[in-house]
Amino acid sequence: DGGITQSPKYLFRKEGQNVTLSCEQNLNHDAMYWYRQDPGQGLRLIYYSQIVNDFQKGDIAEGYSVSREKKESFPLTVTSAQKNPTAFYLCASSSRRQGHQPQHFGDGTRLSIL
Amino acid sequence: GEDVEQSLFLSVREGDSSVINCTYTDSSSTYLYWYKQEPGAGLQLLTYIFSNMDMKQDQRLTVLLNKKDKHLSLRIADTQTGDSAIYFCAESGPGGATNKLIFGTGTLLAVQP
Repeated sequence: DGGITQSPKYLFRKEGQNVTLSCEQNLNHDAMYWYRQDPGQGLRLIYYSQIVNDFQKGDIAEGYSVSREKKESFPLTVTSAQKNPTAFYLCASSSRRQGHQPQHFGDGTRLSIL
Repeated sequence: GEDVEQSLFLSVREGDSSVINCTYTDSSSTYLYWYKQEPGAGLQLLTYIFSNMDMKQDQRLTVLLNKKDKHLSLRIADTQTGDSAIYFCAESGPGGATNKLIFGTGTLLAVQP
């Protein structure tokens, strides 16, 4: 079945540590996105990529980094510069075919600080 | 600026209709979406409406769009306990650019048996 796989489901970070969240899709989608969700808030866009080897900052990119070396994969690194990383992280993807192509989401990774 | 607002909580009895409301500010939005999030899960696309439509019906779901008032609603008929979840309204970016979705804060729907 086609879909978006995020791993791990739960992740713990120590002070000063970088951690990487995985997002893989087999939907043949060109565009991929990372969102952060905090309790009682909507989703906020961290980074997005519309094509391999290219990505753009979203609204809250500080303290995060991404890469897009393969179409299927868009890993997110939460760096030590991100002082409040505890949140639920959601990856999404969409096609860039002509016409309306909505975003579809993975099941998320919950990141907590030890 | 862009902003999407929703009420935080709605409680209904099983079998009743639920109406979840949303207001948005960007009049150039081309598409408006409803997503459902169950506990600990990602977002599931429920339905969407193009901005030149007033209404869209899909089985138990009815979406109403009032462009003049920038008001969107989602009606769930015959609400079931399995409908308990957080519902997010989202608007597309200018020109329908789906790379810039603006989400509301979500409405928690609690269905009482």
